[in-house]
Amino acid sequence: AQSVTQLDSQVPVFEEAPVELRCNYSSSVSVYLFWYVQYPNQGLQLLLKYLSGSTLVKGINGFEAEFNKSQTSFHLRKPSVHISDTAEYFCAVRSPSGYSTLTFGKGTMLLVSP
Amino acid sequence: DADVTQTPRNRITKTGKRIMLECSQTKGHDRMYWYRQDPGLGLRLIYYSFDVKDINKGEISDGYSVSRQAQAKFSLSLESAIPNQTALYFCATSDLMTDTQYFGPGTRLTVL
Repeated sequence: AQSVTQLDSQVPVFEEAPVELRCNYSSSVSVYLFWYVQYPNQGLQLLLKYLSGSTLVKGINGFEAEFNKSQTSFHLRKPSVHISDTAEYFCAVRSPSGYSTLTFGKGTMLLVSP
Repeated sequence: DADVTQTPRNRITKTGKRIMLECSQTKGHDRMYWYRQDPGLGLRLIYYSFDVKDINKGEISDGYSVSRQAQAKFSLSLESAIPNQTALYFCATSDLMTDTQYFGPGTRLTVL
């Protein structure tokens, strides 16, 4: 079974500062990794995903994440955040099997202030 | 028009009542899911369906049931609602080609 740990429940940051949201996973097999974002009063939408290939993955809105197999991590980064990035961010994992489902972390609330 | 719709968007009900949450999609996906979101707990999978004839229990299926009426429709029922089922419920769809889940806007359910 897989599990996901998001180490920070809340990350406050000032506008235009860099940010990193941390995600660690546990799995005995290879994994697919995802970051989803939930803006206030909305459903989740995909930010980026790692399935295979390059370990540095670029997503929408200037976000990127790096898959580190030895550290079992998939941290999300943005070099300069905007007020509009205020949202909850979820890391998720699943096995490559076509019949597996996503396991989500508990989420990290990113609070961007002016 | 939204690709994944949920009705109702908000519902307040009383303990012991039966309630149905409905989900419809126009994305043509075979796979559909029901999740509940609680503050500090993230999203937890209730039930999922990989095609019309396939229904599977998720992590927290007790107290819930589902019906897959068609490729486009997947309903979640609470046979006898209880207060700890108060939560935000999301429906999602996915296809294997893009490996992306598409979420509805959510239904906020309050059980008094």
